[in-house]
Amino acid sequence: AQSVTQLDSQVPVFEEAPVELRCNYSSSVSVYLFWYVQYPNQGLQLLLKYLSGSTLVKGINGFEAEFNKSQTSFHLRKPSVHISDTAEYFCAVSDNSGYSTLTFGKGTMLLVSP
Amino acid sequence: KAGVTQTPRYLIKTRGQQVTLSCSPISGHRSVSWYQQTPGQGLQFLFEYFSETQRNKGNFPGRFSGRQFSNSRSEMNVSTLELGDSALYLCASSPGTEKYEQYFGPGTRLTVT
Repeated sequence: AQSVTQLDSQVPVFEEAPVELRCNYSSSVSVYLFWYVQYPNQGLQLLLKYLSGSTLVKGINGFEAEFNKSQTSFHLRKPSVHISDTAEYFCAVSDNSGYSTLTFGKGTMLLVSP
Repeated sequence: KAGVTQTPRYLIKTRGQQVTLSCSPISGHRSVSWYQQTPGQGLQFLFEYFSETQRNKGNFPGRFSGRQFSNSRSEMNVSTLELGDSALYLCASSPGTEKYEQYFGPGTRLTVT
């Protein structure tokens, strides 16, 4: 079984500042890692994924994440945020069993203010 | 390609009733997963269907059930509704093979009174 811990429930930041949303996972097998974003009253949109290969993964909207196997982390970063990035961000993990099941963290609310 | 669609978007039911939610996956996707999202428990996996067969199941009571049709459309049913079933129910589709990313629909907001 896997578990995901998002260390911050809320991250306030000013527009154009950098941001890092932290995610740690626990698993006894190899995993695939994902970040999703949820805007109010909407479903989840995939930001980026790590399946294999380069540990630095680039996604949509200028976001990137780095997979660190030794620290079991997959932190999400953006060098300069916009007001429109205000949303809830979810880190998720899936094992490599062939099933599509995702285990999600509790989410981090990113609040960008002018 | 059209995205994942869910109907209805909003639903209000009374305790003890039953409800059926529908999900149409992205064309060509054979896997449909269902998740429940609540403020207290977050996002929790309900079940996954692949080619009309339930392939994986989360830790939910038997009141929660689902099925998948030959065109990959899926329905989930909740019987004997409880107040705690109020949630956003999200459907996600995936090719179901070696690509693991899932594409989510907008969800159905169920309120049980």
